Amino acid sequence: QSALTQPRSVSGSPGQSVTISCTGTSSDVGDYNYVSWYQQHPGKAPKLMIYDVSKRPSGVSDRFSGSKSGNTASLTISGLQAEDEADYHCCSYAGRYTVVFGGGTKLTVL
Amino acid sequence: QLQLQESGPGLVKPSETLSLICTVSGGSISSTNYYWGWIRQPPGKGLEWIGTIYYSGSTYYNPSLKSRVTLSVDTSKNQFSLKLSSVTAADTAVYYCARDAGGYDLDYWGQGTLVTVSS
Repeated sequence: QSALTQPRSVSGSPGQSVTISCTGTSSDVGDYNYVSWYQQHPGKAPKLMIYDVSKRPSGVSDRFSGSKSGNTASLTISGLQAEDEADYHCCSYAGRYTVVFGGGTKLTVL
Repeated sequence: QLQLQESGPGLVKPSETLSLICTVSGGSISSTNYYWGWIRQPPGKGLEWIGTIYYSGSTYYNPSLKSRVTLSVDTSKNQFSLKLSSVTAADTAVYYCARDAGGYDLDYWGQGTLVTVSS
């Protein structure tokens, strides 16, 4: 069970869109539609932003969207705002009741 | 509003056992719809899933930690707990408890507690 692969950092200007990738294998991301994304501000607990690949919990802005193609899941943030600057973590079910996270991506709003 | 709160020692000596409790308020840990999990985050690093427990006591562990981890639940106190044995400096991390909404997504989290392994 290896960690999912995310870029260490991405950046974008206010108003732009950014996409964060999360690459796994055919045993996790590629095999199940149980991919979730978490936003984490410094010193804070993670917050669920996307679950089941593309569903948004109540209260999460529709600027956040998720998708999946093959073994790679993606989180897209449109209309970037300063408050979106944070770390983003992907997570996938990996079979046999196990879960695996990615290494996290730092989003910088320029 | 559901709240989770981790508690336990902030400093543990190498080779000893790390013990944490998560107290759930604003909801019942015995709900059949939810599972309860532990996740940790070493300083400056990503999240790592430790394990998940159901109110009935069924447990699911990260294979890489399975030999050292024990999760348990106390429904009378609305708490669940983590024990990690034979700790080393590599186990130094912020430990979070969280609710699993049943689809392997963690929708409520505790604030986290830093546990340092050092003599």
